[in-house]
Amino acid sequence: QKEVEQNSGPLSVPEGAIASLNCTYSDRGSQSFFWYRQYSGKSPELIMFIYSNGDKEDGRFTAQLNKASQYVSLLIRDSQPSDSATYLCAVNLDTGNQFYFGTGTSLTVIP
Amino acid sequence: DTGVSQNPRHKITKRGQNVTFRCDPISEHNRLYWYRQTLGQGPEFLTYFQNEAQLEKSRLLSDRFSAERPKGSFSTLEIQRTEQGDSAMYLCASDGGELFFGEGSRLTVL
Repeated sequence: QKEVEQNSGPLSVPEGAIASLNCTYSDRGSQSFFWYRQYSGKSPELIMFIYSNGDKEDGRFTAQLNKASQYVSLLIRDSQPSDSATYLCAVNLDTGNQFYFGTGTSLTVIP
Repeated sequence: DTGVSQNPRHKITKRGQNVTFRCDPISEHNRLYWYRQTLGQGPEFLTYFQNEAQLEKSRLLSDRFSAERPKGSFSTLEIQRTEQGDSAMYLCASDGGELFFGEGSRLTVL
């Protein structure tokens, strides 16, 4: 079983809609959770991180964490064509340990 | 610009040649990671350093791969006797609580 699992997609949403991206992880000792965006041919860039159960909002982005279900999600409100990218979920067990990445979900926002 | 610098950005080499990539992390970050990424996959962990100490190395990593971080500053990743399967994007990340990635070094082995 992979440490971090994501639906590879592709996920398509119309412009202005809410995009919902999901991620599950296997290790209950996971402490930190990250969402990265990666445009084609570019390196990943951090969108958000979350450490505690519940929701964390930053502009149009909301990260949701449920440690009991070992589930983390990213919601993108008012999706824009510029949001079209691959979204990577990453999990860190503890400070200093390696970060495990999912395979990413490809999102296309249709104008 | 994350402040993490990698070079070369692109490297094309023939099978059997050696290649070396360099990463300059954010200066105040003690931890540095190397990842490999192929098309359609997430970054795959290779190794990481705490200052100059290499603390962990992927079990999947062949003996042809070696990494160093002398004096805890920049790091190098060397691949000896390259194979076509080594073709990938090699990513360096500087750890400040979250990972800041460089632009990557894309390797093509012919």
